[in-house]
Amino acid sequence: EDQVTQSPEALRLQEGESSSLNCSYTVSGLRGLFWYRQDPGKGPEFLFTLYSAGEEKEKERLKATLTKKESFLHITAPKPEDSATYLCAVLSTDSWGKLQFGAGTQVVVTP
Amino acid sequence: EPEVTQTPSHQVTQMGQEVILRCVPISNHLYFYWYRQILGQKVEFLVSFYNNEISEKSEIFDDQFSVERPDGSNFTLKIRSTKLEDSAMYFCASSGAGVRNEQFFGPGTRLTVL
Repeated sequence: EDQVTQSPEALRLQEGESSSLNCSYTVSGLRGLFWYRQDPGKGPEFLFTLYSAGEEKEKERLKATLTKKESFLHITAPKPEDSATYLCAVLSTDSWGKLQFGAGTQVVVTP
Repeated sequence: EPEVTQTPSHQVTQMGQEVILRCVPISNHLYFYWYRQILGQKVEFLVSFYNNEISEKSEIFDDQFSVERPDGSNFTLKIRSTKLEDSAMYFCASSGAGVRNEQFFGPGTRLTVL
């Protein structure tokens, strides 16, 4: 059975304190791994898609990497506006579009 | 920048009533989806829709649920007889050509069943 596990559940950072979020996955075949940002009461906001091991994507202070078993979202020198829940989702080769989400990591960045 | 829109933002209904949640996907997208998120839980897939038919559905998407694209712009989710456990945020998403393309989500409709 496909599984997506994110850690830690919550992360509290000082402004400027870099850190990494983890997404471990088990799927029969990976079509793609997606990172989203979700603010309270809002819909997931697309950040990155990674398709194969070794791939990296970058956007402002965020960098996503992918291995065969997990993905990392690195937050470099975070600002308070980076506070959100970060969701990881996988798309299996068995599926036409069913994203399977992890529970998310809630990040709070304090000034 | 194109975005997915959803109406209403909040719907309150009595148990047993029918509700229709509406979505306008991004205009050149071909694939449409519904997800739901019960408070404090994961985002869960309900259904995907392409070429005017359901491509895939989850176990949650039983006979009380249906989807429709009544015209060239709207995509709807109908819940025929709501239950208390249907209370959740419902998100519509859309993606372009090719199943590996990114899914873009709407702001959601909060459904409260009393």
